[in-house]
Amino acid sequence: QKEVEQDPGPLSVPEGAIVSLNCTYSNSAFQYFMWYRQYSRKGPELLMYTYSSGNKEDGRFTAQVDKSSKYISLFIRDSQPSDSATYLCAIPSGGSYIPTFGRGTSLIVHP
Amino acid sequence: EAGVTQSPTHLIKTRGQQATLRCSPISGHTSVYWYQQALGLGLQFLLWYDEGEERNRGNFPPRFSGRQFPNYSSELNVNALELEDSALYLCASRIRTGRLYEQYFGPGTRLTVT
Repeated sequence: QKEVEQDPGPLSVPEGAIVSLNCTYSNSAFQYFMWYRQYSRKGPELLMYTYSSGNKEDGRFTAQVDKSSKYISLFIRDSQPSDSATYLCAIPSGGSYIPTFGRGTSLIVHP
Repeated sequence: EAGVTQSPTHLIKTRGQQATLRCSPISGHTSVYWYQQALGLGLQFLLWYDEGEERNRGNFPPRFSGRQFPNYSSELNVNALELEDSALYLCASRIRTGRLYEQYFGPGTRLTVT
């Protein structure tokens, strides 16, 4: 079993929809959880990160962690065509904090 | 402030050749990470350099190697290229953000092995 699992999609939604992107992980010791966004032909950029369980909100984006289920989610409200990108979950581990990345979910928001 | 830069943008090599990829971190960042992003496989950690030293290595064969220069720029070398080495190679530098290290990625070098 891979440490971080993510459905590659693609996920296609109409503009204005609420999007739910998810990852599962195997190591219960993980404490930090990160979401990156990668536009086509660009490097990933950090969207937001959370520590331990609970929710964190930043504008239209909400990151949620459920440590009991080893499940993390990123919700996008009022999705826009400009949100079309690949979203990668990443979980840093060990003393070096090198993230293990999920495969990424391709999101397409159509007008 | 300039971001992480990588060169070349694209690189086409034939099997068995060597490839050299270059990365310049954000000014003031001393750590450089290299990742391979192959189609369908996500980002795979390759190497981490900090202060000129190799600090950690991912699960890749020794023909993947690199170095970090005194100005903190870095080079990734891939010897004896194989077809499956075709991928986007990403470089990142980092800065501490609270209790975490935030990585800033460059645009990548697309390596195609024919």
